[in-house]
Amino acid sequence: ETGVTQTPRHLVMGMTNKKSLKCEQHLGHNAMYWYKQSAKKPLELMFVYNFKEQTENNSVPSRFSPECPNSSHLFLHLHTLQPEDSALYLCASSHDASYGTGELFFGEGSRLTVL
Amino acid sequence: DQQVKQNSPSLSVQEGRISILNCDYTNSMFDYFLWYKKYPAEGPTFLISISSIKDKNEDGRFTVFLNKSAKHLSLHIVPSQPGDSAVYFCAASGTASKLTFGTGTRLQVTL
Repeated sequence: ETGVTQTPRHLVMGMTNKKSLKCEQHLGHNAMYWYKQSAKKPLELMFVYNFKEQTENNSVPSRFSPECPNSSHLFLHLHTLQPEDSALYLCASSHDASYGTGELFFGEGSRLTVL
Repeated sequence: DQQVKQNSPSLSVQEGRISILNCDYTNSMFDYFLWYKKYPAEGPTFLISISSIKDKNEDGRFTVFLNKSAKHLSLHIVPSQPGDSAVYFCAASGTASKLTFGTGTRLQVTL
């Protein structure tokens, strides 16, 4: 098993669909993150969970709804998205979000296309 | 308002030569800086980092230099190899593991 696994790798959805992205980490970490990478833009932090508690919501629209049932799993529920939400969504984990130097372990990403 | 900037979107270097990737930041509260490397269809992977109390950190062919007064850091790869061809992201941290990324520089190492 690779360290951080994301599914699906590719997702195409209409603006009225509901879908979810899944992330699983096998590193024994306690913090998990969602990042968004749009073309020609920096990676944007969306959400941070530390020990299953959400500690950061970077002003993300409510059409993105994260869920962290345990320290190993993280979901991003998608509902009524817009075409501009099309991007690469990256999950990452680290030992603890409340301290550390920022060394994150990333998954391979889920490429989302909203039609 | 981009706090971490990589002004060169791409760089081409011949195999065996030195690659120098640059990064500028604006937030003086950043105290830890990292470089990540990303191949197509893969997630970014950590490459090397430097604390603000240092001005240089070296790991094999990779060296990161930090100039705090100029709010500038650079990644040197020497000698460059074709397998180094990837997108390199500079990132900065001021609060534990909350990273601010640059837009990336695509490095192409040619034969």
